[in-house]
Amino acid sequence: QVQLQESGPGLVKPSETLSLTCTVSGESIGSFYWYWIRQPPGKRLEWIGYLYHGGSTSYNPSFKSRVTISVDTSQNQFSLTLSSVTAADTAVYYCAKWLPPTRVFDPWGQGALVTVSS
Amino acid sequence: DIVLTQSPDSLAVSLGERASINCKSSQSVLYSSNNKNSLAWYQQKPGQPPKLLIYWASTRVSGVPDRFSGSGSGTDFTLTISSLQAEDVAVYHCQECYTSPCTFGQGTRLEIK
Repeated sequence: QVQLQESGPGLVKPSETLSLTCTVSGESIGSFYWYWIRQPPGKRLEWIGYLYHGGSTSYNPSFKSRVTISVDTSQNQFSLTLSSVTAADTAVYYCAKWLPPTRVFDPWGQGALVTVSS
Repeated sequence: DIVLTQSPDSLAVSLGERASINCKSSQSVLYSSNNKNSLAWYQQKPGQPPKLLIYWASTRVSGVPDRFSGSGSGTDFTLTISSLQAEDVAVYHCQECYTSPCTFGQGTRLEIK
């Protein structure tokens, strides 16, 4: 079955760039939609952006120009970079597959806690 | 963007009793083309990612116990656990994807009384 796993640094300094990678197994990321979603402490889940059709991307306007999602199809991975981070970017970051027919996220990665602190 | 508001924020129910969580949408999420509501429910246990329980407002995912049920249409939805078990302690989230972007409710924490 499809499995996703996030990886990357757990601590990032303010004003620097957060980078995470999602490794997908069991399915090619050339198909479907692959999201980055985050959950700040005590707040609701929030989508950051997504990859679709193996290379196209769409981003949440709330993140303006700070976010980039890239893909490495040879490794079946997609990555998130978020620049100029602040403490407000402290969150658990998830990658997840979105299913167009049912319009739900399933499955999810285990999540990666990223703390922004000096 | 559509705003989902869950109630209550937290809930304590005795084992074996019924638990109900509500989710209200700021606009209808009913597709007239297929008469389906783009509303899903997830269960999130501590240290784990959300797990999909129900989609199309009332369709249970394979393997989810039948004590979990979803109901509602348009803007008002309910997740019901008919007989609370200890393993049901979790935070429950509703999610809509009527149009882009998909949005989530703020979550409801369910505990044992």
